[in-house]
Amino acid sequence: DVKVTQSSRYLVKRTGEKVFLECVQDMDHENMFWYRQDPGLGLRLIYFSYDVKMKEKGDIPEGYSVSREKKERFSLILESASTNQTSMYLCASSLVGSENIQYFGAGTRLSVL
Amino acid sequence: AQSVSQHNHHVILSEAASLELGCNYSYGGTVNLFWYVQYPGQHLQLLLKYFSGDPLVKGIKGFEAEFIKSKFSFNLRKPSVQWSDTAEYFCAVTPGGYNKLIFGAGTRLAVHP
Repeated sequence: DVKVTQSSRYLVKRTGEKVFLECVQDMDHENMFWYRQDPGLGLRLIYFSYDVKMKEKGDIPEGYSVSREKKERFSLILESASTNQTSMYLCASSLVGSENIQYFGAGTRLSVL
Repeated sequence: AQSVSQHNHHVILSEAASLELGCNYSYGGTVNLFWYVQYPGQHLQLLLKYFSGDPLVKGIKGFEAEFIKSKFSFNLRKPSVQWSDTAEYFCAVTPGGYNKLIFGAGTRLAVHP
């Protein structure tokens, strides 16, 4: 079974803090994704990466950056957290050629106070 | 812009009732279609998928979906729901040649015993 692990289930941070959300997958997938999930809006893509050190902006990249130094790890960075970044963050991965079947982590619920 | 529309945001059913959740997408070319489910407190998981071939696809737990190309639809159905089907359901589309998933806003299903 594919396992996508997000380092924290719940995080509480203060406005202006730098926040790191970590995601690790154990199936050697090339593609990794970060989404945020908000009620009534579904999942919206923040960034994705198709290889080490490669990244592409998704639909809502403002206020976020990412890092992929190793194939199995994809980090989402909030440079200066704001209250409107309070949300559920989901990481996913997929194998190239798998018709984009994505496997998701359990999510990190971030509250910015 | 490409989009995915789920018509029902909240659905409440009694056990043994039939279920149909609507999904329409706006992309005109080849697409891969997915339904994902998120049970309370659990991670998002794949329910079923359509890539090509028979437009009626069967997934886990008795769910099925029908791809109707002329209507740009991929509706999810189950003849008889159970309390354990209480979850949020997301329709998602990958336009041909892309590795991004475009999600609908989700439908929260509550099944009462």
